[in-house]
Amino acid sequence: EAGVAQSPRYKIIEKRQSVAFWCNPISGHATLYWYQQILGQGPKLLIQFQNNGVVDDSQLPKDRFSAERLKGVDSTLKIQPAKLEDSAVYLCASSPSGTANTEAFFGQGTRLTVV
Amino acid sequence: GDSVTQMEGPVTLSEEAFLTINCTYTATGYPSLFWYVQYPGEGLQLLLKATKADDKGSNKGFEATYRKETTSFHLEKGSVQVSDSAVYFCALMVGGTSYGKLTFGQGTILTVHP
Repeated sequence: EAGVAQSPRYKIIEKRQSVAFWCNPISGHATLYWYQQILGQGPKLLIQFQNNGVVDDSQLPKDRFSAERLKGVDSTLKIQPAKLEDSAVYLCASSPSGTANTEAFFGQGTRLTVV
Repeated sequence: GDSVTQMEGPVTLSEEAFLTINCTYTATGYPSLFWYVQYPGEGLQLLLKATKADDKGSNKGFEATYRKETTSFHLEKGSVQVSDSAVYFCALMVGGTSYGKLTFGQGTILTVHP
């Protein structure tokens, strides 16, 4: 079974530029998550989708971050404009149903460096 | 709000030593508890989980017991190997309208020397 795919693996941009990350979840998984992992910290949820609807985006900085999940499958996360403090690893995860006992499967992440 | 606190790291051990990584949590309701592991260059992987008080999760020689009275979920292994070198994350998940949101601790780096 193919895992969660993310691209690119690495990205370096200058502050105030824009960037987009792509995620392809495990086939059939209804729930998709984007997490931000700053160096030395645990992952923090940015946004959670159930199919193509947003369940939780309370921690998403909506003035600069946006995300969409078209047709309930792939998802993109965009940052515009980027700030230095956005340097982090962006993790995508998916799970079959998103209930409390369901395992989430993570991709390898995209490491973003903002200079 | 919900939170997870892990012991300060990094942790450095010799092969075959006993491992304990402490984890305590604060949560509304009754969370499920997880340990995730991140090997160098790889994504986060579920190591083990427990969904109710007194449950013991186990996998690959690692164990953790859900202790409601002390709000803890400490990770243990009797004899570590070099291949266990990784970053370990304790996490909780509260059900209901949170739809499976994971709240992570800050992670503990484990290095095992031959």
